[in-house]
Amino acid sequence: GENVEQHPSTLSVQEGDSAVIKCTYSDSASNYFPWYKQELGKRPQLIIDIRSNVGEKKDQRIAVTLNKTAKHFSLHITETQPEDSAVYFCAPHDPGGGYNKLIFGAGTRLAVHP
Amino acid sequence: GAVVSQHPSRVICKSGTSVKIECRSLDFQATTMFWYRQFPKQSLMLMATSNEGSKATYEQGVEKDKFLINHASLTLSTLTVTSAHPEDSSFYICSAKTGRWATDTQYFGPGTRLTVL
Repeated sequence: GENVEQHPSTLSVQEGDSAVIKCTYSDSASNYFPWYKQELGKRPQLIIDIRSNVGEKKDQRIAVTLNKTAKHFSLHITETQPEDSAVYFCAPHDPGGGYNKLIFGAGTRLAVHP
Repeated sequence: GAVVSQHPSRVICKSGTSVKIECRSLDFQATTMFWYRQFPKQSLMLMATSNEGSKATYEQGVEKDKFLINHASLTLSTLTVTSAHPEDSSFYICSAKTGRWATDTQYFGPGTRLTVL
């Protein structure tokens, strides 16, 4: 099965700075790489995802980069704002078993200070 | 679009009783739904994959006789926690995929907070 590692576990930045979170996975057959944001007590929300046929995707202040050779992908948030404070999870696709499930990383708690 | 609902949002029950949680896809048909459990300040742990019209597939270490899953239609999956104990207290979240492909987006319900006394 897919093994997922996410770093760092906590990240504290000043408003306006950039934040980068990295996710490493083990199964080279994985082909879908989403990032979810979860605020306290709420459901995870998809913020950006990338398929294996591209190396980078950007949506306003958020971007994801993928390195399939090294088996890692990263979330980049620029010009951070206090409302970006939340827990972020990577969840690469696990191709084993045939159900296209996602395996969640341990999460990164991001705190953006005004 | 792509809204997933869960009911109830909170439930408190006595030890030894059973609790049923419903997960519905409101505006799309979901062939596959997933059930997760999340303990405080931890990640989402996949419990099982629920497929319409067939038996659920459970992750290693999850007791299928304790966590009963029924995917009765393309818009409804239920999780029943049988003979609940305090250690079953957790946040249970379902999700549903909009299609069969790995790259189809997975949308999450709002979660159900279960407290077993």
